Amino acid sequence: GAVVSQHPSRVICKSGTSVKIECRSLDFQATTMFWYRQFPKQSLMLMATSNEGSKATYEQGVEKDKFLINHASLTLSTLTVTSAHPEDSSFYICSARPPLGLAGQETQYFGPGTRLLVL
Amino acid sequence: KNQVEQSPQSLIILEGKNCTLQCNYTVSPFSNLRWYKQDTGRGPVSLTIMTFSENTKSNGRYTATLDADTKQSSLHITASQLSDSASYICVVSATNAGKSTFGDGTTLTVKP
Repeated sequence: GAVVSQHPSRVICKSGTSVKIECRSLDFQATTMFWYRQFPKQSLMLMATSNEGSKATYEQGVEKDKFLINHASLTLSTLTVTSAHPEDSSFYICSARPPLGLAGQETQYFGPGTRLLVL
Repeated sequence: KNQVEQSPQSLIILEGKNCTLQCNYTVSPFSNLRWYKQDTGRGPVSLTIMTFSENTKSNGRYTATLDADTKQSSLHITASQLSDSASYICVVSATNAGKSTFGDGTTLTVKP
């Protein structure tokens, strides 16, 4: 099946620093990728939709200058948490949407997630 | 407004027992319904995908049903195992939609 990877799997950083998380579709091209965050025992919250070659679409309440998204190629999207603070500590998950021909139906494949801890 | 509601919110069963999780949706026009399993600290993994014309789909001990008329789906887990302990998420896509609608998930705990 289609595979999506994320790097790093976990990161600890100091408050005020920036952290970049990579999301890669390993065996398919994804024109659309999604970024989610998830707090403990809560559901996935969509942060933004990333389309290759264009600006990301952010959900209401998500600061685009805080969470920078770049989708420079059909297999890579990055999320940069700028000037991270302890309240940004969370589990960040990406997903990639493969072409319809690959999956037969519109679907998403999720990455394994990145655990961010800001001290 | 597109919505997906899952029930129960949480469920505890004994190992070896069966269980059924529910998903009701109001997404329109309907494209497909997907069930995912999310282990703690991991990303969701796809279990089943169903379109309008499919009533049931199985993946091992997991069987999903879909009633497009009543806009309801269920996920039945047979002979539960400890490794089935996870959150199960129902996701519904609309045609011509840029993003899917997620349910809040059902947290299943299987005890020995």
